[in-house]
Amino acid sequence: DAGVTQSPTHLIKTRGQQVTLRCSPKSGHDTVSWYQQALGQGPQFIFQYYEEEERQRGNFPDRFSGHQFPNYSSELNVNALLLGDSALYLCASSLVDGAGGPSDTQYFGPGTRLTVL
Amino acid sequence: GNSVTQMEGPVTLSEEAFLTINCTYTATGYPSLFWYVQYPGEGLQLLLKATKADDKGSNKGFEATYRKETTSFHLEKGSVQVSDSAVYFCARNAGGTSYGKLTFGQGTILTVHP
Repeated sequence: DAGVTQSPTHLIKTRGQQVTLRCSPKSGHDTVSWYQQALGQGPQFIFQYYEEEERQRGNFPDRFSGHQFPNYSSELNVNALLLGDSALYLCASSLVDGAGGPSDTQYFGPGTRLTVL
Repeated sequence: GNSVTQMEGPVTLSEEAFLTINCTYTATGYPSLFWYVQYPGEGLQLLLKATKADDKGSNKGFEATYRKETTSFHLEKGSVQVSDSAVYFCARNAGGTSYGKLTFGQGTILTVHP
C-alpha cells in the first residue's frame, strides 16, 4: 500500500521565481492538506483540498495557491518567492469519514525541501 | 484561537530512562489530540492519538492521556531506546467542521544515549 508521495525531494530557486510542488495521497484517500515547516519549527497549515476545491486555508498570502486533480493528487504553487519561503513543505492526506467531514487522522509524506536564494 | 504548547527542549536521556514530554492545548472546541514523530530527514509519522477526554493513546511503548481538566496530553515512555531519538510534535485539530486542520506545537528534540 503506497503511502503519501511528494516530488521533488529538494528544490533550489531564486527570489521572485515561481515553484510547483506535487503530492500523491495515500491510496484510498481523497483529502490533501499542505503544511510549511520552517527550520526548527512545527508545521504550519497552508490549505486543504477536497473534491478539487480549497476547503480551508491558513494564514498564508495569496502567493500560495493549490490545485487538486480528479485522481486526488495535488499541487502547491508559490509565486514571487521570498527568502522566508525556504522550508520543508509537507503534504498530508486523509479520508472523508461517514459523517462527510475529513477524518481526524492525517498521513504525511516525506516533504519537499525548498531553498530560496 | 487554537494553540499547542510543548515543553522546552531539547531532552537528553540515557537508554532505558523514563520519558515525559509535556504538551498543553487551548481549550476551544472538542479537538482530537495527536503526537507525531519526525526522524532526521523524514516527514511526520503519526505516533498516537486520542479523540475525547480520558482517552489514552498508545503505540510502540509510548502513551498519552487526554486530560480535559488540565488541557494536557503529555507523552510518556517507560524505557527509551536509542532508536527513539527524533523530534516529537504534539498537535490538535480544530474540532467541529474544521477538524481536518492541524495545529502543531514547536516540537521537542529527544536524544537518547547508549
